Amino acid sequence: QVQLQESGPGLVKPAETLSLTCSVAGGSISSYHWSWIRQPPGKGLEWIGVISSSGSTNYNPSLKSRLTISVDTSKSQFSLKLTSVTAADTALYYCARHYCSGVNCYYFNYWGQGTLVTVSS
Amino acid sequence: EIVLTQSPATLSLSPGERATLSCRASQSVSSYLAWYQQKSGQAPRLLIYDASNRATGVPARFSGSGSGTDFTLTISSLEAEDFAVYYCQQRSDGPLYTFGQGTKLEIK
Repeated sequence: QVQLQESGPGLVKPAETLSLTCSVAGGSISSYHWSWIRQPPGKGLEWIGVISSSGSTNYNPSLKSRLTISVDTSKSQFSLKLTSVTAADTALYYCARHYCSGVNCYYFNYWGQGTLVTVSS
Repeated sequence: EIVLTQSPATLSLSPGERATLSCRASQSVSSYLAWYQQKSGQAPRLLIYDASNRATGVPARFSGSGSGTDFTLTISSLEAEDFAVYYCQQRSDGPLYTFGQGTKLEIK
């Protein structure tokens, strides 16, 4: 059974770096695409970025200048780093595995439970 | 960026009734559209992908239709556990993934 678990600080100061890790169990991390998605309290979903099975990354243009997503296959983990955070980055952060329909891996079928990150001094 | 607009924002229905939720894209997404269900305090759950295919384990009362810019999620007969927020999602070149703003399905 596939399980994803986010971890990281729940409180980050403005202008600092938000760092989260997603630990994957029950499947090969190298065989799938993995995304980060966030949800501000009481609001909708925003895709942050993806790391593919080959290790290439694509980011939401609105976050690209501050964002790095990486993978550590030896630990079956992938990570997110978002620099220069502001209160607008306060959200529930989810990691998710992509579902592939044929060759198109456009959807998200496994999600972590989410971790709330608050940006505040 | 392709914008997805969902309607209505809130839908109030009773168990046993039929629910029809709409998602409109600002430009064609072909059939590359998904629907998710999110219950309070939970992560979203994939219901429908490629506009009309049910994900594994999704009950047959959920169906999706549409292509291009107009899509519909239909729940044929509402059960108590179906009251939740529903999101549509698409993937465009980049890639860039976007979600609609959600439709809250509430008990009348």
